[in-house]
Amino acid sequence: ETGVTQTPRHLVMGMTNKKSLKCEQHLGHNAMYWYKQSAKKPLELMFVYNFKEQTENNSVPSRFSPECPNSSHLFLHLHTLQPEDSALYLCASSQDGTGAIEQYFGPGTRLTVT
Amino acid sequence: EDQVTQSPEALRLQEGESSSLNCSYTVSGLRGLFWYRQDPGKGPEFLFTLYSAGEEKEKERLKATLTKKESFLHITAPKPEDSATYLCAVILSTGTASKLTFGTGTRLQVTL
Repeated sequence: ETGVTQTPRHLVMGMTNKKSLKCEQHLGHNAMYWYKQSAKKPLELMFVYNFKEQTENNSVPSRFSPECPNSSHLFLHLHTLQPEDSALYLCASSQDGTGAIEQYFGPGTRLTVT
Repeated sequence: EDQVTQSPEALRLQEGESSSLNCSYTVSGLRGLFWYRQDPGKGPEFLFTLYSAGEEKEKERLKATLTKKESFLHITAPKPEDSATYLCAVILSTGTASKLTFGTGTRLQVTL
């Protein structure tokens, strides 16, 4: 595997379900990110982890819970989501978490909340 | 409030018809800018980083330029495989760190 991988690629869940998204990077980077991409809107940064420590939470509702066990893996735990949470969720990584160097993105998880 | 605007929203070109995409910004503390390409159903793919006004970067048929207020992505003699959404992201200084603000993208379609 190379680059940034995400699983699952597609997820349909009800509002009472609990599910998790997984991201893995094979680039040796130290920072990982979660983004939300909705139609006609700019990418929205959700969380930043730098050397496994969360350095940014962009006012994300508590129904989204990130977890970063090491610099290569990132999870997003989902529970009691709302239909407006349906979107493409993208994971990215970069060499550091300063925000000033390029980020490499995974293919995303297309989430539909019913 | 920091704003990043990309234009046009959508662009349809014939193969070989050169054009430019624009990313303009009203921000404070600009540290640089990224260009990304995104294909349907995929994550954004990094293209260029520009840090200084006057800087230019080239890759195949693409050339990115940067001024203090805007960036252009010039596409010379495009091919159908250049069809994608092109995103710009402005790097803003937040003291010791930076944050990215993305535009909404330009959807490019190149036809035969």
